[in-house]
Amino acid sequence: GENVEQHPSTLSVQEGDSAVIKCTYSDSASNYFPWYKQELGKRPQLIIDIRSNVGEKKDQRIAVTLNKTAKHFSLHITETQPEDSAVYFCAASKLGSSNTGKLIFGQGTTLQVKP
Amino acid sequence: NAGVTQTPKFRVLKTGQSMTLLCAQDMNHEYMYWYRQDPGMGLRLIHYSVGEGTTAKGEVPDGYNVSRLKKQNFLLGLESAAPSQTSVYFCASSRRHRAESYEQYFGPGTRLTVT
Repeated sequence: GENVEQHPSTLSVQEGDSAVIKCTYSDSASNYFPWYKQELGKRPQLIIDIRSNVGEKKDQRIAVTLNKTAKHFSLHITETQPEDSAVYFCAASKLGSSNTGKLIFGQGTTLQVKP
Repeated sequence: NAGVTQTPKFRVLKTGQSMTLLCAQDMNHEYMYWYRQDPGMGLRLIHYSVGEGTTAKGEVPDGYNVSRLKKQNFLLGLESAAPSQTSVYFCASSRRHRAESYEQYFGPGTRLTVT
């Protein structure tokens, strides 16, 4: 079955710097890659997603890039702010006529933004 | 709309006891999921449902059972709790994947401790 590896497990940056989190997946049939953010004590929430027919997607300070050949995708956060401090999860899924919506998550990255 | 709600928020069980976690959603979503979250292991799918009356196994189904008798509710049961089931449990729901959005909406979580 699908396996998603996420690195690093922890990341500490200074406010204003950029942060990059990387994920690799094993199933070449996966075609949907969302990123969820979980603040301390809260529920995970979707922040951005990308489908395999797109190489990059941006939403203000966050962006996701996808390399289908290498089977990896990354989350980029620019101009980090203290409120970006959270745990970030990548995930992979297969969309299609027989899909079930199942997400396989990576292990999570704890991002700390120091003021 | 309340979104996705979970009952209870906290619970302490003794080994061998049973309990049921209730998830309810008021968004008319077809798909529902149960995850467990453990430190360093991300979110792992326990069971899921693509519609009323249907359930299927996820990545870590052993020791759990589920039922989806009504579209809006998804129940997770532990028949004989074990310390290894100490975790935070999240329920999530999403639309059928022919819709525009593939976002999973999470509940607030249930923190379960088995002693």
